Amino acid sequence: DTAVSQTPKYLVTQMGNDKSIKCEQNLGHDTMYWYKQDSKKFLKIMFSYNNKELIINETVPNRFSPKSPDKAHLNLHINSLELGDSAVYFCASSLQGYGYTFGSGTRLTVV
Amino acid sequence: GQQLNQSPQSMFIQEGEDVSMNCTSSSIFNTWLWYKQDPGEGPVLLIALYKAGELTSNGRLTAQFGITRKDSFLNISASIPSDVGIYFCAGFWETSGSRLTFGEGTQLTVNP
Repeated sequence: DTAVSQTPKYLVTQMGNDKSIKCEQNLGHDTMYWYKQDSKKFLKIMFSYNNKELIINETVPNRFSPKSPDKAHLNLHINSLELGDSAVYFCASSLQGYGYTFGSGTRLTVV
Repeated sequence: GQQLNQSPQSMFIQEGEDVSMNCTSSSIFNTWLWYKQDPGEGPVLLIALYKAGELTSNGRLTAQFGITRKDSFLNISASIPSDVGIYFCAGFWETSGSRLTFGEGTQLTVNP
């Protein structure tokens, strides 16, 4: 069983579209995260939810909106996609900061 | 602002050689983590360090949590081709809660 699974793995879309990425973890973790990896491979946190409550919200455009329906799920919705949004987005989870585990990533390409 | 520097940015070595990479932080870390990322995959945890001075091994990998709590190194002994990938240090600053901060990564290439 995959511990942190995110879908889709690849997403190609046109500028201006709205898209969502889904993430699920089966580790029983209480905190979930979204990270963005740019073309230089730098990983930067975007959001974090603890027990469905938003606890970290970095400087991210309002077009990005996370939603956590329950502890095991954290989705990322992006409105009005721009070329600069192209990147790899990683979901991760942890239990009070321990056992930090990442999904395999979603490669978003905006054309 | 707080900074986390990782070096070297890239390494090209021959199979069988030992490798060393390190990270230094401008502020004290509570935890140091070392991850490896293979192409098309997410980072995978290699070693976790929780106490200053801690030295931990995982097979051919050894990592240490610096005494000052501002640095850490990762050594790989007798490298093999499957060690190829990007290695990241990461950690939690004292004031950052569960916000994990990553170094810039070290791209390792191993020539057979």
